[in-house]
Amino acid sequence: KNEVEQSPQNLTAQEGEFITINCSYSVGISALHWLQQHPGGGIVSLFMLSSGKKKHGRLIATINIQEKHSSLHITASHPRDSAVYICAALPRRGNTDKLIFGTGTRLQVFP
Amino acid sequence: ETGVTQTPRHLVMGMTNKKSLKCEQHLGHNAMYWYKQSAKKPLELMFVYNFKEQTENNSVPSRFSPECPNSSHLFLHLHTLQPEDSALYLCASSQDSRPQRGIQYFGAGTRLSVL
Repeated sequence: KNEVEQSPQNLTAQEGEFITINCSYSVGISALHWLQQHPGGGIVSLFMLSSGKKKHGRLIATINIQEKHSSLHITASHPRDSAVYICAALPRRGNTDKLIFGTGTRLQVFP
Repeated sequence: ETGVTQTPRHLVMGMTNKKSLKCEQHLGHNAMYWYKQSAKKPLELMFVYNFKEQTENNSVPSRFSPECPNSSHLFLHLHTLQPEDSALYLCASSQDSRPQRGIQYFGAGTRLSVL
């Protein structure tokens, strides 16, 4: 079992819908990242969180440290939001650079 | 455009070939990373370089050989690969190799097919 689990694995939505992608982790963390990967392969970092909530445009990321859970929300979704969304946890243990990645959530937004 | 450029974008090679992947970053970062992304699997960290020194080798087979001549360039030399090595290879860089103090910037990746 992966130490970082995402749900759902696949998600389809109509343009304008509110989207939620979930990430649960089983290790103590220093930070959690949300990343976006477009079909061409390139990955863009969206958020880095260690507590609370961050907002950038239509994207909102939240984290609950006690419950070891983070969510990525997309408001007023658009076809250009179609991508794979990946969460990655940096474990608190040791002096490691090693992020632990989830397998990603594939989102398709239809017009 | 993330400031991290990978070449080539696509590569097909036989199991006896030798090839190299190149990564260049124009962000002034001092840490660079190689990742492997296989279908339906999480991203796997392969190597980390910090100030040109290798700080992480994640039990990668010796048929993958990294080289970091300076903080802006990173290579991955490939030889006698296996078909299961076919994957997307991603390079990333960050200002600091401790991700909680920095954010990694990724290249577009090299899609590698080993025949």
